[in-house]
Amino acid sequence: NAGVTQTPKFQVLKTGQSMTLQCAQDMNHNSMYWYRQDPGMGLRLIYYSASEGTTDKGEVPNGYNVSRLNKREFSLRLESAAPSQTSVYFCASSPRTGMGAFFGQGTRLTVV
Amino acid sequence: SQQGEEDPQALSIQEGENATMNCSYKTSINNLQWYRQNSGRGLVHLILIRSNEREKHSGRLRVTLDTSKKSSSLLITASRAADTASYFCATDADDYKLSFGAGTTVTVRA
Repeated sequence: NAGVTQTPKFQVLKTGQSMTLQCAQDMNHNSMYWYRQDPGMGLRLIYYSASEGTTDKGEVPNGYNVSRLNKREFSLRLESAAPSQTSVYFCASSPRTGMGAFFGQGTRLTVV
Repeated sequence: SQQGEEDPQALSIQEGENATMNCSYKTSINNLQWYRQNSGRGLVHLILIRSNEREKHSGRLRVTLDTSKKSSSLLITASRAADTASYFCATDADDYKLSFGAGTTVTVRA
Protein backbone atom coordinates (compact mmCIF):
# COMPACT_ATOMS: atom_id res chain seq x y z
CA ASN A 1 0.00 0.00 0.00
CA ALA A 2 2.19 2.82 -1.33
CA GLY A 3 -0.17 5.81 -0.86
CA VAL A 4 1.30 8.89 -2.57
CA THR A 5 4.63 8.37 -4.32
CA GLN A 6 6.83 11.23 -5.47
CA THR A 7 9.87 10.98 -7.68
CA PRO A 8 12.62 11.99 -7.50
CA LYS A 9 13.34 12.53 -3.79
CA PHE A 10 16.26 14.88 -4.45
CA GLN A 11 17.25 16.93 -7.50
CA VAL A 12 19.82 19.60 -8.30
CA LEU A 13 19.19 21.71 -11.38
CA LYS A 14 21.09 24.48 -13.07
CA THR A 15 19.30 27.74 -13.72
CA GLY A 16 17.35 27.49 -16.95
CA GLN A 17 17.06 23.70 -16.97
CA SER A 18 13.69 22.03 -17.07
CA MET A 19 12.36 19.04 -15.21
CA THR A 20 9.15 17.24 -14.27
CA LEU A 21 8.27 16.12 -10.77
CA GLN A 22 6.17 13.00 -10.79
CA CYS A 23 3.38 12.10 -8.39
CA ALA A 24 1.20 9.01 -8.33
CA GLN A 25 -1.43 7.81 -5.86
CA ASP A 26 -2.94 4.37 -5.62
CA MET A 27 -5.95 5.23 -3.46
CA ASN A 28 -8.37 6.12 -6.29
CA HIS A 29 -8.57 9.71 -5.04
CA ASN A 30 -10.23 12.40 -7.10
CA SER A 31 -8.36 15.48 -5.85
CA MET A 32 -4.62 16.05 -6.13
CA TYR A 33 -2.41 18.97 -5.08
CA TRP A 34 1.09 20.34 -5.49
CA TYR A 35 2.62 22.47 -2.72
CA ARG A 36 5.97 24.01 -2.07
CA GLN A 37 7.36 24.43 1.44
CA ASP A 38 9.91 27.08 2.28
CA PRO A 39 11.33 27.82 5.75
CA GLY A 40 8.95 29.94 7.79
CA MET A 41 6.36 30.02 5.00
CA GLY A 42 4.41 26.88 5.64
CA LEU A 43 2.98 25.20 2.55
CA ARG A 44 1.88 27.23 -0.42
CA LEU A 45 -0.44 25.77 -3.04
CA ILE A 46 0.97 25.78 -6.56
CA TYR A 47 -1.73 23.95 -8.51
CA TYR A 48 -4.51 21.57 -7.74
CA SER A 49 -6.78 19.19 -9.61
CA ALA A 50 -10.26 18.69 -8.18
CA SER A 51 -10.90 15.74 -10.50
CA GLU A 52 -9.42 13.97 -13.50
CA GLY A 53 -9.28 16.33 -16.47
CA THR A 54 -9.33 19.57 -14.47
CA THR A 55 -6.53 21.70 -13.08
CA ASP A 56 -6.56 25.11 -11.39
CA LYS A 57 -4.00 27.61 -10.17
CA GLY A 58 -3.20 27.99 -6.52
CA GLU A 59 -1.37 30.78 -4.70
CA VAL A 60 1.99 30.57 -6.48
CA PRO A 61 1.57 29.11 -10.00
CA ASN A 62 4.06 31.30 -11.87
CA GLY A 63 6.92 29.31 -13.37
CA TYR A 64 5.08 25.99 -13.14
CA ASN A 65 2.78 23.86 -15.26
CA VAL A 66 0.86 20.73 -14.35
CA SER A 67 -0.69 17.75 -16.07
CA ARG A 68 -3.35 15.46 -14.65
CA LEU A 69 -2.37 12.55 -16.83
CA ASN A 70 -5.06 10.25 -15.46
CA LYS A 71 -6.76 9.71 -12.13
CA ARG A 72 -3.56 8.34 -10.55
CA GLU A 73 -0.92 10.77 -11.80
CA PHE A 74 -0.39 14.51 -11.38
CA SER A 75 2.92 15.93 -12.60
CA LEU A 76 4.53 19.32 -11.99
CA ARG A 77 6.83 20.82 -14.62
CA LEU A 78 9.40 23.55 -14.26
CA GLU A 79 10.10 24.83 -17.77
CA SER A 80 13.06 27.08 -16.91
CA ALA A 81 14.22 26.62 -13.34
CA ALA A 82 15.20 29.64 -11.26
CA PRO A 83 17.00 29.79 -7.87
CA SER A 84 13.75 31.11 -6.35
CA GLN A 85 12.24 27.69 -7.06
CA THR A 86 14.63 26.01 -4.62
CA SER A 87 12.22 24.39 -2.19
CA VAL A 88 10.70 21.17 -0.95
CA TYR A 89 7.77 20.11 -3.12
CA PHE A 90 4.92 18.01 -1.81
CA CYS A 91 2.22 16.22 -3.71
CA ALA A 92 -1.01 15.32 -1.93
CA SER A 93 -4.26 13.58 -2.77
CA SER A 94 -7.73 13.49 -1.23
CA PRO A 95 -10.76 11.28 -1.90
CA ARG A 96 -12.66 14.44 -2.74
CA THR A 97 -12.72 18.04 -1.58
CA GLY A 98 -13.89 18.25 2.00
CA MET A 99 -11.84 15.32 3.22
CA GLY A 100 -8.35 15.00 4.65
CA ALA A 101 -5.36 14.80 2.33
CA PHE A 102 -2.57 12.25 2.11
CA PHE A 103 0.92 13.54 1.42
CA GLY A 104 3.95 12.15 -0.35
CA GLN A 105 7.39 12.29 1.23
CA GLY A 106 8.47 15.32 -0.76
CA THR A 107 11.03 16.26 -3.41
CA ARG A 108 13.92 18.44 -2.28
CA LEU A 109 14.86 20.62 -5.26
CA THR A 110 17.89 22.88 -5.41
CA VAL A 111 18.39 25.26 -8.33
CA VAL A 112 21.94 26.63 -8.64
CA SER B 1 -1.86 35.16 0.81
CA GLN B 2 -2.23 32.20 3.13
CA GLN B 3 -5.60 31.62 4.69
CA GLY B 4 -4.56 30.34 8.10
CA GLU B 5 -2.12 31.60 10.67
CA GLU B 6 -0.96 29.52 13.63
CA ASP B 7 -0.03 30.89 17.02
CA PRO B 8 2.43 30.50 18.67
CA GLN B 9 5.15 29.92 16.10
CA ALA B 10 7.00 27.68 18.54
CA LEU B 11 6.13 25.90 21.77
CA SER B 12 8.31 24.00 24.22
CA ILE B 13 6.71 21.85 26.91
CA GLN B 14 7.59 19.12 29.38
CA GLU B 15 6.53 15.55 28.71
CA GLY B 16 3.12 14.95 30.25
CA GLU B 17 1.99 18.56 29.88
CA ASN B 18 -0.70 19.74 27.50
CA ALA B 19 0.08 21.68 24.33
CA THR B 20 -2.33 24.19 22.86
CA MET B 21 -1.97 25.96 19.55
CA ASN B 22 -4.33 28.27 17.71
CA CYS B 23 -5.25 28.95 14.12
CA SER B 24 -6.95 32.03 12.74
CA TYR B 25 -8.28 32.32 9.22
CA LYS B 26 -9.74 35.02 7.03
CA THR B 27 -12.71 33.81 5.00
CA SER B 28 -15.64 31.42 5.38
CA ILE B 29 -14.73 27.76 5.31
CA ASN B 30 -16.34 24.36 4.74
CA ASN B 31 -13.99 22.64 7.16
CA LEU B 32 -10.68 23.07 8.96
CA GLN B 33 -8.04 20.38 9.21
CA TRP B 34 -4.96 19.85 11.37
CA TYR B 35 -1.81 18.10 10.17
CA ARG B 36 1.47 17.01 11.77
CA GLN B 37 4.87 17.05 10.09
CA ASN B 38 7.87 15.29 11.56
CA SER B 39 11.22 16.70 10.54
CA GLY B 40 12.01 15.96 6.91
CA ARG B 41 8.79 14.06 6.30
CA GLY B 42 5.46 14.60 4.58
CA LEU B 43 2.40 15.86 6.41
CA VAL B 44 0.04 13.50 8.19
CA HIS B 45 -3.66 14.32 8.54
CA LEU B 46 -4.76 14.38 12.19
CA ILE B 47 -8.33 15.60 12.38
CA LEU B 48 -11.00 17.45 10.39
CA ILE B 49 -13.74 19.63 11.86
CA ARG B 50 -16.64 20.85 9.73
CA SER B 51 -17.99 24.38 9.84
CA ASN B 52 -21.15 23.25 11.66
CA GLU B 53 -19.17 21.50 14.41
CA ARG B 54 -17.77 23.21 17.50
CA GLU B 55 -15.60 20.53 19.05
CA LYS B 56 -14.09 17.21 18.04
CA HIS B 57 -11.95 14.63 19.78
CA SER B 58 -9.57 11.99 18.52
CA GLY B 59 -7.51 10.12 21.09
CA ARG B 60 -5.38 12.75 22.89
CA LEU B 61 -6.37 15.45 20.42
CA ARG B 62 -9.14 17.97 20.97
CA VAL B 63 -10.05 20.51 18.31
CA THR B 64 -12.40 23.44 18.68
CA LEU B 65 -13.79 25.71 16.00
CA ASP B 66 -15.34 29.16 16.48
CA THR B 67 -16.63 30.33 13.10
CA SER B 68 -17.76 33.67 14.54
CA LYS B 69 -14.16 34.46 15.49
CA LYS B 70 -12.71 32.57 12.52
CA SER B 71 -10.44 30.61 14.81
CA SER B 72 -9.61 27.06 15.84
CA SER B 73 -7.49 25.47 18.52
CA LEU B 74 -5.69 22.15 18.78
CA LEU B 75 -5.04 20.68 22.21
CA ILE B 76 -2.70 17.74 22.67
CA THR B 77 -3.10 16.25 26.13
CA ALA B 78 -0.45 14.37 28.10
CA SER B 79 2.24 15.09 25.54
CA ARG B 80 4.95 12.58 24.67
CA ALA B 81 8.37 12.92 23.07
CA ALA B 82 6.86 11.47 19.89
CA ASP B 83 4.58 14.52 19.66
CA THR B 84 7.60 16.68 18.81
CA ALA B 85 6.74 17.95 15.34
CA SER B 86 5.34 20.90 13.42
CA TYR B 87 1.57 21.27 13.38
CA PHE B 88 -0.35 22.98 10.61
CA CYS B 89 -3.92 24.05 10.21
CA ALA B 90 -5.48 23.96 6.75
CA THR B 91 -8.71 25.52 5.58
CA ASP B 92 -11.03 24.13 2.94
CA ALA B 93 -13.22 26.89 1.52
CA ASP B 94 -15.71 27.14 -1.32
CA ASP B 95 -12.94 27.34 -3.90
CA TYR B 96 -11.84 23.82 -2.89
CA LYS B 97 -8.26 24.92 -2.36
CA LEU B 98 -6.71 23.39 0.74
CA SER B 99 -4.71 26.31 2.20
CA PHE B 100 -2.14 25.91 4.96
CA GLY B 101 -0.74 28.22 7.61
CA ALA B 102 2.93 28.59 8.54
CA GLY B 103 2.71 26.08 11.37
CA THR B 104 3.56 25.74 15.06
CA THR B 105 6.74 23.89 16.02
CA VAL B 106 6.22 21.85 19.17
CA THR B 107 9.13 20.48 21.19
CA VAL B 108 8.37 18.03 23.99
CA ARG B 109 11.19 17.81 26.55
CA ALA B 110 11.81 14.55 28.39
